[in-house]
Amino acid sequence: KQEVTQIPAALSVPEGENLVLNCSFTDSAIYNLQWFRQDPGKGLTSLLLIQSSQREQTSGRLNASLDKSSGRSTLYIAASQPGDSATYLCAVLYGQNFVFGPGTRLSVLP
Amino acid sequence: NAGVTQTPKFRILKIGQSMTLQCAQDMNHNYMYWYRQDPGMGLKLIYYSVGAGITDKGEVPNGYNVSRSTTEDFPLRLELAAPSQTSVYFCASTKGGSNTGELFFGEGSRLTVL
Repeated sequence: KQEVTQIPAALSVPEGENLVLNCSFTDSAIYNLQWFRQDPGKGLTSLLLIQSSQREQTSGRLNASLDKSSGRSTLYIAASQPGDSATYLCAVLYGQNFVFGPGTRLSVLP
Repeated sequence: NAGVTQTPKFRILKIGQSMTLQCAQDMNHNYMYWYRQDPGMGLKLIYYSVGAGITDKGEVPNGYNVSRSTTEDFPLRLELAAPSQTSVYFCASTKGGSNTGELFFGEGSRLTVL
């Protein structure tokens, strides 16, 4: 059974800091990994999608890496802003289904 | 471009009542999913479908039923509502098959069972 964990569960940083969110999965037989953002009371918005054959993806201040062999992915956020405050979830496509981690709740303080 | 549309956004049910959560997508996606999200928890898969006429159980299917008569629609039926079904329900879709990629979500349906 695939299990996905995320560390830390919560993070509070001052504006401008660079930060790293971690995602781990137990079975490396994944097709892709996605990072999502969820604002309070809202749905999930896809931030980055990494196919299993890729090592990383970048979008603006966000960079996600994937190491299938070690079962890890990191989301790097550069120069954090208060608007980045949200919950960040990772999910792996395992078979036909997406398995989600519990999320990291990020607060960026002005 | 509507994407994934869920209705209703909010609903209060009494114990034992039944209702259907509607989900529709206009992206011609084959794969559709229903998740529930409890406070402080990740998403748990209830049911999924890989195409019209094909559905399968996820991790927490008890108390729910689904149907997929068209590519666009994937309604979730709650029978005999219980307080344990109080949650936020999300519908999602993706292209599927060898093109399985980005997962698109609806805004969610917040259900309270009293």
